[in-house]
Amino acid sequence: AQSVTQLDSQVPVFEEAPVELRCNYSSSVSVYLFWYVQYPNQGLQLLLKYLSGSTLVKGINGFEAEFNKSQTSFHLRKPSVHISDTAEYFCAVSDPNSGYSTLTFGKGTMLLVSP
Amino acid sequence: NAGVMQNPRHLVRRRGQEARLRCSPMKGHSHVYWYRQLPEEGLKFMVYLQKENIIDESGMPKERFSAEFPKEGPSILRIQQVVRGDSAAYFCASSPPSGADQPQHFGDGTRLSIL
Repeated sequence: AQSVTQLDSQVPVFEEAPVELRCNYSSSVSVYLFWYVQYPNQGLQLLLKYLSGSTLVKGINGFEAEFNKSQTSFHLRKPSVHISDTAEYFCAVSDPNSGYSTLTFGKGTMLLVSP
Repeated sequence: NAGVMQNPRHLVRRRGQEARLRCSPMKGHSHVYWYRQLPEEGLKFMVYLQKENIIDESGMPKERFSAEFPKEGPSILRIQQVVRGDSAAYFCASSPPSGADQPQHFGDGTRLSIL
């Protein structure tokens, strides 16, 4: 069985500061990894994904994430945040050995960017 | 709008009534996933369907909940005899026919409130 832990439920940060949102996963098999963002009253939008290859993955809106197999982590980073980045961020995994992409999500991290 | 369409956006039901949630996948997508998001929780997988087939319903409650994806028309998530605990946001996602590497595209959700 797979599980995802997002250690911080809320991360407050000032505008233009760097931010890291943490994600750890637990799985007995290899996984695909995803970060999604959810703005208020909207659905989830894909930020980036790791399938294989380079462990540093770049996504939309200036976000990037690094896959660390030994630490089973996939932390999300942005060097300088904007007010508009205020949203809920979800880390998710899927099983490459399944024939379909059912996602297991973490509980989410609320990023609060203030001026 | 070529995205995943869910309706209604908001649905209010009294205890004991039925709730029907609809989802039209993105054009060209034949795989539909339903997730439930409870307050301050991540999304939990409920069911995965292809046209006219339920592939994985391991996340569906055993009673009162059912889902379908007919040959023509949207996918329907049906909740019979609703209870207060069914209050949640229900999200539909779709993906093209392929494996676990395909990212899912999400609708904006249906917020179900039970009086």
